[in-house]
Amino acid sequence: DGGITQSPKYLFRKEGQNVTLSCEQNLNHDAMYWYRQDPGQGLRLIYYSQIVNDFQKGDIAEGYSVSREKKESFPLTVTSAQKNPTAFYLCASSIMVAQGTDTQYFGPGTRLTVL
Amino acid sequence: AQSVAQPEDQVNVAEGNPLTVKCTYSVSGNPYLFWYVQYPNRGLQFLLKYITGDNLVKGSYGFEAEFNKSQTSFHLKKPSALVSDSALYFCAVRDSRGSGGSYIPTFGRGTSLIVHP
Repeated sequence: DGGITQSPKYLFRKEGQNVTLSCEQNLNHDAMYWYRQDPGQGLRLIYYSQIVNDFQKGDIAEGYSVSREKKESFPLTVTSAQKNPTAFYLCASSIMVAQGTDTQYFGPGTRLTVL
Repeated sequence: AQSVAQPEDQVNVAEGNPLTVKCTYSVSGNPYLFWYVQYPNRGLQFLLKYITGDNLVKGSYGFEAEFNKSQTSFHLKKPSALVSDSALYFCAVRDSRGSGGSYIPTFGRGTSLIVHP
């Protein structure tokens, strides 16, 4: 899983609660990404960040928020506005977004379950 | 616009036999193609990528992939499958022309490889 850590590994949330998923990387990468994985649907992009204090919405950003205050960290908050948050969440990083040949490196994932 | 398709949800193969996991793509420029593997409840691990040059790309764990521009395909192959190769495999593509200065990859839905003893 490279130099990317995600915590917690499992997370349980009650309906109406906001929760924050942690993602940290020590690869000195500029770009970081959040994906959601559901069975049979592959990976869907939630948010990405090209540089500190900048981030862009992906395909399914509604109900999620992010921040990028440090190069190493890209936390994801799942808000109560997300209608169906139960899923496996993956964080990734790459050297930069504006470099199509870059490899993405993934963290081990966080499995979020709404009770 | 870029897209990628993995036409098989599941591939079954006997241990010791060759395996192929299929991937086709569509881009407006040139493709940058990637294969990743995912074991249960784990993140994705990079296997190999094609950027330019030789159409046969060799990667980790004995896997290789063949880029075919005329068929817009990038199939993953291994000459002799192991039970431990059983996992979920993802193909991803980026378009060399990018979009708005970014090169966000598009992932396929994944193919579950099952290797039987």
